[in-house]
Amino acid sequence: SQQGEEDPQALSIQEGENATMNCSYKTSINNLQWYRQNSGRGLVHLILIRSNEREKHSGRLRVTLDTSKKSSSLLITASRAADTASYFCARGDDYKLSFGAGTTVTVRA
Amino acid sequence: DAMVIQNPRYQVTQFGKPVTLSCSQTLNHNVMYWYQQKSSQAPKLLFHYYDKDFNNEADTPDNFQSRRPNTSFCFLDIRSPGLGDAAMYLCATSREGASFQPQHFGDGTRLSIL
Repeated sequence: SQQGEEDPQALSIQEGENATMNCSYKTSINNLQWYRQNSGRGLVHLILIRSNEREKHSGRLRVTLDTSKKSSSLLITASRAADTASYFCARGDDYKLSFGAGTTVTVRA
Repeated sequence: DAMVIQNPRYQVTQFGKPVTLSCSQTLNHNVMYWYQQKSSQAPKLLFHYYDKDFNNEADTPDNFQSRRPNTSFCFLDIRSPGLGDAAMYLCATSREGASFQPQHFGDGTRLSIL
């Protein structure tokens, strides 16, 4: 079952702008993971943030985690056309991931 | 490069005709997963293997079965596909469970039912 709710469902931005998407979850987590999925392809792991971490960076990506609010956000800075994809958060729990519904990001050239 | 490979990328089968999807990995990961993803939806876990131990999700239909003959290969068998089984099927691996490990996905097999 889906454990995360993502907001917004879709986002359209101009190249060079920042994109922010949010993920909320209902139960406690060991970690929260973010994945990207290009159209017709598999998911690619972006960042894993543990429950005792508040912020992580990877290149142009920044993920924050607020366990008190049960929410996480993914920021893509200086977006590029190649960032056009669906982005999923996933709650990691023991052996499985439970995915949110995803945010579809379109970056306009 | 170490990777997860799914074959075929596209599979067409007839209503009720058994079909097998395959997945192989060169990562030597203990855990292999099968997900079903319908259009514009999140991936839904069907089952996973931890080494040879099979773990079925409670809501996975009996129509779906899996085999893992060795560490590298895993198969998804759909015994009698219905129209509702048309979807992308994703295979993934991880070194251990998902608690602190990312999952590595193949590019999926898109299954169409005629």
